[in-house]
Amino acid sequence: GEDVEQSLFLSVREGDSSVINCTYTDSSSTYLYWYKQEPGAGLQLLTYIFSNMDMKQDQRLTVLLNKKDKHLSLRIADTQTGDSAIYFCAERNTGTASKLTFGTGTRLQVTL
Amino acid sequence: EPEVTQTPSHQVTQMGQEVILRCVPISNHLYFYWYRQILGQKVEFLVSFYNNEISEKSEIFDDQFSVERPDGSNFTLKIRSTKLEDSAMYFCASSEYGESKLFFGSGTQLSVL
Repeated sequence: GEDVEQSLFLSVREGDSSVINCTYTDSSSTYLYWYKQEPGAGLQLLTYIFSNMDMKQDQRLTVLLNKKDKHLSLRIADTQTGDSAIYFCAERNTGTASKLTFGTGTRLQVTL
Repeated sequence: EPEVTQTPSHQVTQMGQEVILRCVPISNHLYFYWYRQILGQKVEFLVSFYNNEISEKSEIFDDQFSVERPDGSNFTLKIRSTKLEDSAMYFCASSEYGESKLFFGSGTQLSVL
């Protein structure tokens, strides 16, 4: 079945760039998403990329997709303390179009 | 900005009791979903719902679970006889179309004692 993996923890200094990585197994993924979860809150959609794209930029966020290696990354430029949260990678494929498969989540800690 | 709303934010129940978790999806969305996240584990898909019927469900979604859209705005998840292992954060989500972005609510934390 589908599997999505992420590293559990990342610590960066305020002002630096953060790069959160994700790998997935399903080659028929159509969309890949990044969600942000702040403490006690729900899942906020940050950005997404369609599988025929290599890169997508949205203000401070850059998503890179390496379809050959099934690797997705989220880069946050000029990381701020307000970016501290858990970041989830999720994929959706044509076989099960109505569901997302989530990764374990990466906890981003931003230090001063 | 339109959002998915869930009530209650916290629910405590005794094992064996029935619970109903409520959601109001975004008004022009046609697809509705329930996911759950057991503490320390991945967010897991439970069920998707379209045109007043279940379109897909996971192995977790057994006979103890049911979903309903009782009127034009609410979408509910019922757990008939709760078990300790049903303790989790339950997220409702909706999307405009089947392939479009999912928007999640802030979740209901269910604690089964």
